[in-house]
Amino acid sequence: DTEVTQTPKHLVMGMTNKKSLKCEQHMGHRAMYWYKQKAKKPPELMFVYSYEKLSINESVPSRFSPECPNSSLLNLHLHALQPEDSALYLCASSQEYRAGGVYEQFFGPGTRLTVL
Amino acid sequence: GQNIDQPTEMTATEGAIVQINCTYQTSGFNGLFWYQQHAGEAPTFLSYNVLDGLEEKGRFSSFLSRSKGYSYLLLKELQMKDSASYLCAVRAQDGNKLVFGAGTILRVKS
Repeated sequence: DTEVTQTPKHLVMGMTNKKSLKCEQHMGHRAMYWYKQKAKKPPELMFVYSYEKLSINESVPSRFSPECPNSSLLNLHLHALQPEDSALYLCASSQEYRAGGVYEQFFGPGTRLTVL
Repeated sequence: GQNIDQPTEMTATEGAIVQINCTYQTSGFNGLFWYQQHAGEAPTFLSYNVLDGLEEKGRFSSFLSRSKGYSYLLLKELQMKDSASYLCAVRAQDGNKLVFGAGTILRVKS
């Protein structure tokens, strides 16, 4: 199984809603990532988890809250979002996060989020 | 700072060869990746270079010159399904953090 799955595929939410994005991989990868991608722009890193611990937070606003319940799952909890947060949210995983090897990142299909 | 430049768009003909360039200026360098992304889909890994030279993988090859801060992706025998965005990404430091270029949209015409 070389797949990263994400649910839901599409999400529309209001600015007062609370919702969660889910990501799952069963490749035994120990690093998982959240990216945000706006239309015709490259993915921008938001968070990195390594061995279920938050390793990188790219100064993301607190209305985005990541969670890694176990080595296969990664969640992104959303609260009080703004319309400018509308984007494609991509999850990725790699074998490791540390330096010293070629750790290709496998991406999920993304969740298309619209904030009204 | 980190700066990665790629052409915005390119058009090529089915069966032809196309070269997509990427130049980078980053605070460190620990490898360069090329990803392909079809519209509305996830990026998929194409190639990785960390040493100077050419890496060949079927119809796709990637070249790196670290002294020039330059890479290119070469696509041979173009097919319509190669129409996609091609992302150059640099691993600039220890750890597996990638900095992506804006991507090059390749259109293959018949």
